[in-house]
Amino acid sequence: GAVVSQHPSRVICKSGTSVKIECRSLDFQATTMFWYRQFPKQSLMLMATSNEGSKATYEQGVEKDKFLINHASLTLSTLTVASAHPEDSSFYICSARDSSGGYEQYFGPGTRLTVT
Amino acid sequence: DAKTTQPPSMDCAEGRAANLPCNHSTISGNEYVYWYRQIHSQGPQYIIHGLKNNETNEMASLIITEDRKSSTLILPHATLRDTAVYYCIVRPPYGDSGNTPLVFGKGTRLSVIA
Repeated sequence: GAVVSQHPSRVICKSGTSVKIECRSLDFQATTMFWYRQFPKQSLMLMATSNEGSKATYEQGVEKDKFLINHASLTLSTLTVASAHPEDSSFYICSARDSSGGYEQYFGPGTRLTVT
Repeated sequence: DAKTTQPPSMDCAEGRAANLPCNHSTISGNEYVYWYRQIHSQGPQYIIHGLKNNETNEMASLIITEDRKSSTLILPHATLRDTAVYYCIVRPPYGDSGNTPLVFGKGTRLSVIA
């Protein structure tokens, strides 16, 4: 089956620093990728939709200047958490949609961000 | 908002069948029912999906009622590794999906007990 990877799997950073998370579709092309955030004991919440070659679409309440998304190729999208604060600590999950026509959505393993 | 309703939690004895219900009374005629599960600290894993007919694969069976307003995911012989949160999701069909992402509700936390 289609594989989506995320890097890093776990990151700890100090408050005020920026963190970049990569999402890659390993064996298929994805014109659309999605970024979700999950707090403890809660469900996945969609943050933004990332489209290759264009600006991301953010969900209501998600700060686009804080969560910078770049989808520069058909296999890579990045999420940068700018000036991270402890309240940004969460589990970030990306998902990629296969562009070949099936439109299935495949999920990455997630990135655990802890801001101290 | 999620278009499905699931019980928050269920227990199942190891080796027995786990039957997870889902209500999707507002489902449209061309929308599919998808099931994913999430094991602790991992990304969601696809299980099965269906439109009208019952479906079966190596992981599970999906039973959809004739009126399509509800469905049941069946894990025939639950193991401890099946302990996870199970999400029932309604989504548009292929081609009409566009940029529509999967929307997750609260799911059902299944605990398989030895």
